[in-house]
Amino acid sequence: GQNIDQPTEMTATEGAIVQINCTYQTSGFNGLFWYQQHAGEAPTFLSYNVLDGLEEKGRFSSFLSRSKGYSYLLLKELQMKDSASYLCAAMDSNYQLIWGAGTKLIIKP
Amino acid sequence: ETGVTQTPRHLVMGMTNKKSLKCEQHLGHNAMYWYKQSAKKPLELMFVYNFKEQTENNSVPSRFSPECPNSSHLFLHLHTLQPEDSALYLCASSQAASGGPYTDTQYFGPGTRLTVL
Repeated sequence: GQNIDQPTEMTATEGAIVQINCTYQTSGFNGLFWYQQHAGEAPTFLSYNVLDGLEEKGRFSSFLSRSKGYSYLLLKELQMKDSASYLCAAMDSNYQLIWGAGTKLIIKP
Repeated sequence: ETGVTQTPRHLVMGMTNKKSLKCEQHLGHNAMYWYKQSAKKPLELMFVYNFKEQTENNSVPSRFSPECPNSSHLFLHLHTLQPEDSALYLCASSQAASGGPYTDTQYFGPGTRLTVL
């Protein structure tokens, strides 16, 4: 079956760095997405990786290893507003998104 | 307005009520989606419309009935729901290719928080 695994909850300190991991198993692969979702709000697109390697976008970076079925989202210089859930989703061979349950990130001062 | 909008933002209904959720996208996309989001669970894809045609119905109970009158508007009609249907209902849109499964990044609305009493 198709499956996405990511930690349920993580805690980090303001100003620090945190890495949120995601492993996936899908029928075929057409890329991996990360979304941010603040409580009560829409998921917003953060990143898309389809090739191996690290993509940097400001304070946020996303990494993909297709051979390992693994991705991570790296958040640097954490700010209180980064407290949110982070959703990992892999796109299968039919371009359907397979979603993880999300990682709730708590930032402490 | 820009992006994807949804109304109402909150809805409380009894099990015998009939209500509708509305979604409108202002992105010029041609594919629209309904998702159900329950606490600590992955997003569940309910329905997909490409070019106004329904292409996915993931074993959703008939008490949920989608309608897509044009590529900018999507409705979810609700009838005789159960308490376990209480959840956040999210609408999304994307740009899809005609005649094939390819689709670009999905953009989401803020959702309707539904409570069934």
